[in-house]
Amino acid sequence: GESVGLHLPTLSVQEGDNSIINCAYSNSASDYFIWYKQESGKGPQFIIDIRSNMDKRQGQRVTVLLNKTVKHLSLQIAATQPGDSAVYFCAENIQGAQKLVFGQGTRLTINP
Amino acid sequence: DTEVTQTPKHLVMGMTNKKSLKCEQHMGHRAMYWYKQKAKKPPELMFVYSYEKLSINESVPSRFSPECPNSSLLNLHLHALQPEDSALYLCASSQGLANEKLFFGSGTQLSVL
Repeated sequence: GESVGLHLPTLSVQEGDNSIINCAYSNSASDYFIWYKQESGKGPQFIIDIRSNMDKRQGQRVTVLLNKTVKHLSLQIAATQPGDSAVYFCAENIQGAQKLVFGQGTRLTINP
Repeated sequence: DTEVTQTPKHLVMGMTNKKSLKCEQHMGHRAMYWYKQKAKKPPELMFVYSYEKLSINESVPSRFSPECPNSSLLNLHLHALQPEDSALYLCASSQGLANEKLFFGSGTQLSVL
């Protein structure tokens, strides 16, 4: 399953499928990007980050892709599990501003 | 210890009350943050402290007053809040300021009556 743009707040996928969550960031001066997972009643939890001098980074079951040309970031989750159900936020660090700005978020729902 | 601890977890206050939110980290991080999060919205930055000094105030109303007593503690003092200030208040910390991942606490769910 795949979300498109910032305006699709919900993504539903079958358990075991791969998920792709997309994020369009706003500032071409942003030089560092993070994906966070937020479960109900909890604070955002770090998943993976990527710096602007890279275009791909892999973690355990997750991959982040960065396309600076079109200012697009994506999070791929392999073999989605029920525990992956959460809201996922991308965040960008604007160079020189020294602050992290969050995108609107995508709610990921896993169907059994 | 990779935790950011926030207290209380829930707080209900009237518009004339004075209350404080507390945040603590023991990771040796030198930057600490307050974010505000409304339901179904992303966290919004309020304040940033770097080396115990306020470095960013995102034009937050003066009824919110941050304090950083030492490198491990961050407080947010609340006075004369409005019902629209009801939200989840998140504290975070990071090793430094630039290009560093933030570690978040679980937040304080605040309701202003």
